[in-house]
Amino acid sequence: AQSVTQLGSHVSVSEGALVLLRCNYSSSVPPYLFWYVQYPNQGLQLLLKYTSAATLVKGINGFEAEFKKSETSFHLTKPSAHMSDAAEYFCAVSVPGSARQLTFGSGTQLTVLP
Amino acid sequence: GAGVSQSPRYKVAKRGQDVALRCDPISGHVSLFWYQQALGQGPEFLTYFQNEAQLDKSGLPSDRFFAERPEGSVSTLKIQRTQQEDSAVYLCASSLALQGSSGNTIYFGEGSWLTVV
Repeated sequence: AQSVTQLGSHVSVSEGALVLLRCNYSSSVPPYLFWYVQYPNQGLQLLLKYTSAATLVKGINGFEAEFKKSETSFHLTKPSAHMSDAAEYFCAVSVPGSARQLTFGSGTQLTVLP
Repeated sequence: GAGVSQSPRYKVAKRGQDVALRCDPISGHVSLFWYQQALGQGPEFLTYFQNEAQLDKSGLPSDRFFAERPEGSVSTLKIQRTQQEDSAVYLCASSLALQGSSGNTIYFGEGSWLTVV
């Protein structure tokens, strides 16, 4: 079975500072990995996904993530935070061939300080 | 519509009442999923449909939960005799391809917020 651990349920950064949201996964087979963002009272929006191609994945809104097999990590970064980035971020893992498709972490709430 | 549509967006139910939550997936999407998201938690898988076939319902928490997709498009999640622990956001999602495809993108609706009082 696969699982995801997101370190830090709350992260605060200043506007313009680096954003780093941590995600570690566990999977018995090579996984697919995803980052979703959820704004208040809204559904989940896909930021980016890793599907065994390039290990550095670029997504929307300037976010990117790097798949590191040796560290079983898929951390999300953005060089410069904007106020509009404040939201909840979820890391998710999918095992190819699994009907469940996505197993989510518990989420990280990002606060951007002016 | 262009996205996954869910209704009602907000539902307050008295304990013991039955509720039905509707999901209109993106047109042509084969796969449909229901997730439950408790406050402060990540979404938890409930059930999966491929067209009209319910291929996995292992995430449904009890026999009070029932989902259907009779014509392979619209889906309904029904909760009978609601309990306070059923209070959560119920997210519907759909994707174009069959399960197992190469990390195909799953699109989520805005959710149905259920509060049981």
